[in-house]
Amino acid sequence: EPEVTQTPSHQVTQMGQEVILRCVPISNHLYFYWYRQILGQKVEFLVSFYNNEISEKSEIFDDQFSVERPDGSNFTLKIRSTKLEDSAMYFCASSEAGGNNNYGYTFGSGTRLTVV
Amino acid sequence: LAKTTQPISMDSYEGQEVNITCSHNNIATNDYITWYQQFPSQGPRFIIQGYKTKVTNEVASLFIPADRKSSTLSLPRVSLSDTAVYYCHLDNYGQNFVFGPGTRLSVLP
Repeated sequence: EPEVTQTPSHQVTQMGQEVILRCVPISNHLYFYWYRQILGQKVEFLVSFYNNEISEKSEIFDDQFSVERPDGSNFTLKIRSTKLEDSAMYFCASSEAGGNNNYGYTFGSGTRLTVV
Repeated sequence: LAKTTQPISMDSYEGQEVNITCSHNNIATNDYITWYQQFPSQGPRFIIQGYKTKVTNEVASLFIPADRKSSTLSLPRVSLSDTAVYYCHLDNYGQNFVFGPGTRLSVLP
């Protein structure tokens, strides 16, 4: 079964540092997403990406965040200057046809980001 | 954006059938109803998707009434390993990305 792969599984960084979270979506998928989940809370939407550009973003996705699909296979989330409140699990997801298919979104196993 | 409402938590015992109902009074014509399961420290995992009537797969059934203002996920004969958070999600060709808080199901021995 195809998977969405995320690396690293866990990253610890100092406040103010830049981090890049990496994702390899399923190869024939066209829509890509980043979500985050603070411990014990709900899954929060950050951004969606289609046709090499952002199609939608939430209020959380401010100027400190950016996404990129640098080489046609990887999909990255960059946080320029991390804050303590950025500590969370970050999930990448991909979808073949915007989620209206028989398989919905496929999520990766997540990157646990800890900002100290 | 269409909003969903689910019970915050449910308890069940092993071997029982569990039904989790989601309300979506403002569902749009193009919205599909998808249910996900999430275990701690893992990403949500697709369970089932439907548009109307009944859909069944190897793990669950999804019941959607004619007015589509609600949907019910049915898990037959749950086991301890079904303890998880279950999310009801509406998607409209990728245009609705927001997940609700989900239902925390606890299966007891």
